[in-house]
Amino acid sequence: NAGVTQTPKFQVLKTGQSMTLQCAQDMNHNSMYWYRQDPGMGLRLIYYSASEGTTDKGEVPNGYNVSRLNKREFSLRLESAAPSQTSVYFCASSELVRGITEAFFGQGTRLTVV
Amino acid sequence: GENVEQHPSTLSVQEGDSAVIKCTYSDSASNYFPWYKQELGKRPQLIIDIRSNVGEKKDQRIAVTLNKTAKHFSLHITETQPEDSAVYFCAARGTGGYNKLIFGAGTRLAVHP
Repeated sequence: NAGVTQTPKFQVLKTGQSMTLQCAQDMNHNSMYWYRQDPGMGLRLIYYSASEGTTDKGEVPNGYNVSRLNKREFSLRLESAAPSQTSVYFCASSELVRGITEAFFGQGTRLTVV
Repeated sequence: GENVEQHPSTLSVQEGDSAVIKCTYSDSASNYFPWYKQELGKRPQLIIDIRSNVGEKKDQRIAVTLNKTAKHFSLHITETQPEDSAVYFCAARGTGGYNKLIFGAGTRLAVHP
């Protein structure tokens, strides 16, 4: 099993450009998440999807949109990139099993907006 | 909203010493508290977790304690080794059936030989 796969690994955008970060998991998990990681700020939740067909805002949703395409895939879109969106983005998935919610992370996407 | 505070932000210890990282959470209904380790350039990975019906859990050199009344939980690493050097994140699971994890800001642990 590949686990959680994110693409691309690196990306440089100009201010105002748009792009979509792709994420897919092969663990049959219901829940999927997008986090951004900035120095000293930890992992901040952008959006999450509790199950196929549902999405909800997290702590820092402004400037982003998401699509839960099917159970496997959860994409994050930046419509008009800004330098403040320079960050490392992590996709994750999880399943609640006997009270435990272990999140499995993708390898991350390092995004730079210039 | 839900919030998790983590301290300290950086921690430096000598090899063999113990390290303690503390977190507090705001949502009294939170019932699951995992800890993740992120090595440089890698993805975060679960190292230990604790559920709200348990006060302490150990796994070899690491342990986690939970005080529900005070809404705080801690990670204890004993006999630290250089390979323990990493960023550690605590998290709390929100309620409402969504399973979303809210993370602390992280602690950068450096273990010096």
